Amino acid sequence: GAGVSQSPRYKVAKRGQDVALRCDPISGHVSLFWYQQALGQGPEFLTYFQNEAQLDKSGLPSDRFFAERPEGSVSTLKIQRTQQEDSAVYLCASSLQHNSNQPQHFGDGTRLSIL
Amino acid sequence: EDQVTQSPEALRLQEGESSSLNCSYTVSGLRGLFWYRQDPGKGPEFLFTLYSAGEEKEKERLKATLTKKESFLHITAPKPEDSATYLCAVQAGTASKLTFGTGTRLQVTL
Repeated sequence: GAGVSQSPRYKVAKRGQDVALRCDPISGHVSLFWYQQALGQGPEFLTYFQNEAQLDKSGLPSDRFFAERPEGSVSTLKIQRTQQEDSAVYLCASSLQHNSNQPQHFGDGTRLSIL
Repeated sequence: EDQVTQSPEALRLQEGESSSLNCSYTVSGLRGLFWYRQDPGKGPEFLFTLYSAGEEKEKERLKATLTKKESFLHITAPKPEDSATYLCAVQAGTASKLTFGTGTRLQVTL
C-alpha cells in the first residue's frame, strides 16, 4: 500500500512569507507526527495528533508554527512569518494506534529553504 | 529529559568488514527503542523495535541488541548498499513521540 506522502518536496520562500506543508498519512493510521530535521542532525519532535485531536504540541518552537488535522487524516503544518532558522527538512510520520510502541512510518519530507 | 547518544558519528568500512554501531540512552521508563535507516533525501526507514533488555532482532546482515543502557546495531559482512545514516530513537514514559540521536553515517566501500 501507499506510504506517507508529503508535499511539496521542496519549498523556497522569502523571509517573512507564510508557508503550508501537507502530509497524507498511511490510510487508517490514527497517530500522526511532525518532526523537524536540521542538516546532519536527527529528527526533532514538533507535534502529535490522535485522529483530529492535537495531543502534544510541546515541540513547536514558537507561536509562528501551527498544525492541524481537521478530519483526522491529512495534516497541514503552517509556518507564519518565516525566518532563516526555519530552514530544515520537515518530516511527517504516522502509526497505526494511539500511544502504542508500534513503529512510526515516515514520509520523505519537505525541504524548506528560507532566503 | 530523554537523551540519546550515538557513536561513532561516521564509520567507513570495506565490504565484508563487520562492525557495530552504538546507541546509549538515558530515559525514564523505556517503552521501545527503534532503529531506522535514512538514505540521502529520504525519510527514515524503520528497521527494528526492541522492548526490553536482552532482546535481539535480526534482518539480513543487521542484528540489533538491547541492554538497560545501550543498544548495538551489528553489521555483518556489509555491502556498499548498506551505506546510509543509521538513526536510533527511544519512546519513553507516557509520551508517544520519538527522541532521536544524531545518527551514524556509514560508508561501505568495495
